[in-house]
Amino acid sequence: AAGVIQSPRHLIKEKRETATLKCYPIPRHDTVYWYQQGPGQDPQFLISFYEKMQSDKGSIPDRFSAQQFSDYHSELNMSSLELGDSALYFCASSSSWTDTQYFGPGTRLTVL
Amino acid sequence: DAKTTQPPSMDCAEGRAANLPCNHSTISGNEYVYWYRQIHSQGPQYIIHGLKNNETNEMASLIITEDRKSSTLILPHATLRDTAVYYCIVRVPYSSASKIIFGSGTRLSIRP
Repeated sequence: AAGVIQSPRHLIKEKRETATLKCYPIPRHDTVYWYQQGPGQDPQFLISFYEKMQSDKGSIPDRFSAQQFSDYHSELNMSSLELGDSALYFCASSSSWTDTQYFGPGTRLTVL
Repeated sequence: DAKTTQPPSMDCAEGRAANLPCNHSTISGNEYVYWYRQIHSQGPQYIIHGLKNNETNEMASLIITEDRKSSTLILPHATLRDTAVYYCIVRVPYSSASKIIFGSGTRLSIRP
C-alpha cells in the first residue's frame, strides 16, 4: 500500500540558511501533520492542515512556516536555521473517514 | 501535561507475549486510546486503537478496562523486530485538535 513520502530524507544546512521539507500524503488523505523529534526526545507536534487550511498549531517557531497545496502535499519552510533545529521531521497524513495518522519515514535535518 | 503513564522500559523473551500497560485515569468519554511504536529513528507506526471494547488486529490486541482508566497492549508472539518505543496516546479523533501528543513511552526490548 502507498505510504507517506517525505523528501529529502537527509538534509545538511549551515546556520542562518533556509530549508524546505516536502511531504506527500497517502492518496485520498486530506489532512497533514508535521512533527519534530530532537535527539533523544519524543516527537513534538508542530502544525497541521486540513483541506489546505491550517487546522492546529503547536510549538512551531515563527521562523518556520508551512502550507498545504491543492494536490494535498505539504511543505515546511524553515528560515534562519539554528543548531537547535537539527532534528528528525516527520509528516503524517490522515483521512476524514478514519482519522488515523500514518507517518512518513522522516527527514533528518542537520544544521552545522 | 501527560495524559498517560507508562513504564519507561520492559523486556520480553522472543516468542512470548509482550504485555505493555498504560494508565490513563483522566480519560474523558470521547477520547480513544491509540498505540503507536517507533523503531529506532523510523517514523512512528500505528498499531491499534479503541474506545471501550477490546480490539484485535494482525499486529496486536488492545484490552481496555471497564472503567477505561487503563489499558494493555498485547503483542502475542514477540520477535526481535518488535524492539521499539511504544507510545500509548489518548486523543479525540475527528476534531480540530486531533494532533498526537507523545509521552515518554515504553522502551520494549525483546531478548533472544
